[in-house]
Amino acid sequence: AQSVAQPEDQVNVAEGNPLTVKCTYSVSGNPYLFWYVQYPNRGLQFLLKYITGDNLVKGSYGFEAEFNKSQTSFHLKKPSALVSDSALYFCAVRDGSGGSYIPTFGRGTSLIVHP
Amino acid sequence: NAGVTQTPKFQVLKTGQSMTLQCAQDMNHEYMSWYRQDPGMGLRLIHYSVGAGITDQGEVPNGYNVSRSTTEDFPLRLLSAAPSQTSVYFCASSYSDLGAGGTEAFFGQGTRLTVV
Repeated sequence: AQSVAQPEDQVNVAEGNPLTVKCTYSVSGNPYLFWYVQYPNRGLQFLLKYITGDNLVKGSYGFEAEFNKSQTSFHLKKPSALVSDSALYFCAVRDGSGGSYIPTFGRGTSLIVHP
Repeated sequence: NAGVTQTPKFQVLKTGQSMTLQCAQDMNHEYMSWYRQDPGMGLRLIHYSVGAGITDQGEVPNGYNVSRSTTEDFPLRLLSAAPSQTSVYFCASSYSDLGAGGTEAFFGQGTRLTVV
């Protein structure tokens, strides 16, 4: 079984400040972890992924995420938030050990960046 | 290269009507899937396919049928629409990750369905 939790429905941050969107996961085997962003009335867009290797993964638009195996977390971060980063963010996990083909998504976190 | 194309973008159905949501991709992806997005519920998997002729149920399959006769197309059929099926539907596709490590999904723009 695989599952992912995004504990915050909404994150508020001032423009220029660092942001963190939290994600924890549960899988039986090796985790494949993904972050997606959804702008209003649009489909989801891929941001970054962790499959193996370095725990710090860099992605699109200046975002990065840190894989922490002991805490089963994959938090999304950005050093300096922009108003244009305001959107809905989804974390997803898939069991990379051959147990599943399709990822499971979290409920999403609404990021609001204030000017 | 159009990516993942969903039609229609908007649809209003009466209870009991049937319809098909279309999804096509031009990236030769093996994996395709359908999700519904509801407020506070995130994305929930309805059905998925790992290749032409192969489909399987996801988390919320009741009331929906799928088929995959070609690599490119993965239509979702609502058999008898109910108000509980009012939602935004997303189709997604990705490469299989045999030998490639996990691959990311590409999403369509969504179909907003209202059942009255």
